[in-house]
Amino acid sequence: EAQVTQNPRYLITVTGKKLTVTCSQNMNHEYMSWYRQDPGLGLRQIYYSMNVEVTDKGDVPEGYKVSRKEKRNFPLILESPSPNQTSLYFCASTTGQGLGYTFGSGTRLTVV
Amino acid sequence: SQKIEQNSEALNIQEGKTATLTCNYTNYSPAYLQWYRQDPGRGPVFLLLIRENEKEKRKERLKVTFDTTLKQSLFHITASQPADSATYLCALANNAGNNRKLIWGLGTSLAVNP
Repeated sequence: EAQVTQNPRYLITVTGKKLTVTCSQNMNHEYMSWYRQDPGLGLRQIYYSMNVEVTDKGDVPEGYKVSRKEKRNFPLILESPSPNQTSLYFCASTTGQGLGYTFGSGTRLTVV
Repeated sequence: SQKIEQNSEALNIQEGKTATLTCNYTNYSPAYLQWYRQDPGRGPVFLLLIRENEKEKRKERLKVTFDTTLKQSLFHITASQPADSATYLCALANNAGNNRKLIWGLGTSLAVNP
């Protein structure tokens, strides 16, 4: 089944403790992206990747890192999480211009 | 400033009726516009895409129109069913840049009552 897999689904952590949210797609998509979704603010792009070893900042990159060492994987790293990073996170991928995105099921992160 | 606006108030309709959702934008020249469905706590699911040179697109009970003069897209669900209850998001891709970034509306919540 074609899908984007994110893990974990839920995560509660403490301020300052480094964490990684994994994202993997099995569709050979070139383009991958991370979003966070907050009430009243909608979906905001954090980082995106056009291909392996090519990443760039989205609209809200502060406090996040990404890497794209393989085509299928695009992990999101929070080096020192803070409470304002409490949010619902989505990984998404697409194969080309003008095609729909496939989203993961989401990771609900709480930083206390 | 650039903006995308969707009906902020929830839409309640009776089963069997047609639901019409609106997406308006300002200060964009979108190459295409997409509609997604999102259920609570889940990822958006792609429904339809319409390009700037297309007026209308259909898929089963779904229809999307795109008026670049009015800067508006309408999303219709005909013969609506309770299972269509969800939040519907519109997203557009700006013409500029290589980032295939989508600009998202906040969504309209649809409730179809049996």
